[in-house]
Amino acid sequence: QVQLVESGGGVVQPGRSLRLSCAASGFTFSSYAMHWVRQAPGKGLEWVAVISDDGTNEYDADSVKGRFTISRDNSKNTLHLQMNSLRLEDTAVYYCARAVTVVHAFDIWGQGTLVTVSS
Amino acid sequence: DIQMTQSPSSLSASVGDRVTITCRASQGIRNDLAWYQQKPGKAPKRLIYAASSLQSGVPSRFSGSGSGTEFTLTISSLQPEDFATYYCLQHTNYPRTFGPGTKVEIK
Repeated sequence: QVQLVESGGGVVQPGRSLRLSCAASGFTFSSYAMHWVRQAPGKGLEWVAVISDDGTNEYDADSVKGRFTISRDNSKNTLHLQMNSLRLEDTAVYYCARAVTVVHAFDIWGQGTLVTVSS
Repeated sequence: DIQMTQSPSSLSASVGDRVTITCRASQGIRNDLAWYQQKPGKAPKRLIYAASSLQSGVPSRFSGSGSGTEFTLTISSLQPEDFATYYCLQHTNYPRTFGPGTKVEIK
């Protein structure tokens, strides 16, 4: 079945880096745009970044611009989020989600991975 | 950025009640709106896409309507498993923006 599984979360100090991964299965990964969405504890959903199916187009939220980089490896059916210069306010559950194209809404989400930025 | 608002922010309802949640966009978004349901500790699940199209596998008691700037999600007869938080999402522009959520609780 269609599945997205995030990994790489953990506890990290402010200013440090972390790389999240999202392993896709059950569908043709290279045919879908992929997003990262996050949710701070007890808060609502915040869109973070998107990458097109072939990796040639990306958009980022202003809150992460210049610090986070979304990428994908279609040969390994894997999505990544490189997070640098982490801040306390980046603490959240990070979800990957797929969309038919960069224009469409996300349909399938992973279960999420928790990133805690704390000194 | 397009701002999304939802009302109410929370509601208490009984099993069998009809529930309506409203989502408003700060500018026209055609029908580029989706609704998601999220239960505690779980990932969101898409219920409605293109404002009024029911996601495959979602019960028919869920329906969506609207276009432009005002949208509604209706649950025709609330079931125990429907108690959750509901979010709208606009996908006309980047950045994608969500409504703040509506928590549906048991009365």
